[in-house]
Amino acid sequence: DGGITQSPKYLFRKEGQNVTLSCEQNLNHDAMYWYRQDPGQGLRLIYYSHIVNDFQKGDIAEGYSVSREKKESFPLTVTSAQKNPTAFYLCASSFPDREKTYTFGSGTRLTVV
Amino acid sequence: EDKVVQSPLSLVVHEGDTVTLNCSYEVTNFRSLLWYKQEKKAPTFLFMLTSSGIEKKSGRLSSILDKKELFSILNITATQTGDSAVYLCAAYNNNDMRFGAGTRLTVKP
Repeated sequence: DGGITQSPKYLFRKEGQNVTLSCEQNLNHDAMYWYRQDPGQGLRLIYYSHIVNDFQKGDIAEGYSVSREKKESFPLTVTSAQKNPTAFYLCASSFPDREKTYTFGSGTRLTVV
Repeated sequence: EDKVVQSPLSLVVHEGDTVTLNCSYEVTNFRSLLWYKQEKKAPTFLFMLTSSGIEKKSGRLSSILDKKELFSILNITATQTGDSAVYLCAAYNNNDMRFGAGTRLTVKP
């Protein structure tokens, strides 16, 4: 079955550490996205990529980094520069300009301890 | 600045009630309005609306878009406990989705 997989589901990080969240899709989608969800704030766009080896900053990119070396994969690194990283992170993919194809992963809940 | 505003943020009803969820948007290069249901983790697609005045229906759920007033509503009739979820509204602008904060609906038996 085609789908989008995020791992891990839960992640704990000590302050000052970088962590990388995985997002893999086998839907043959060209576009991939990272969102952050906080209570009462909906989904906010961190980074997106419409094509391999190219990505763009979203509204809240500071303290995050991404790479897009393969079509199927779009990992997100939460760096120590992100001041408030505790949140629920959702990855999505789609065919560009076909918004109905947006498919979300099950998310990673990151907690800083 | 682009924005999508949903109201109410939270709603508690009893089974059998009818609810209306609201979504207003101000998005440059607006193309479509989408509704999602988020029960636990991944949002799931409900509707996509691109034209004003044309109601989309799926069972007890329906939605309509007003592109003049920049507004959409999601109606749920004869609510069931399984409708309890966060309902997200999103506006698409040829580049990415802009989401609202969501409405948390709780349906009590």
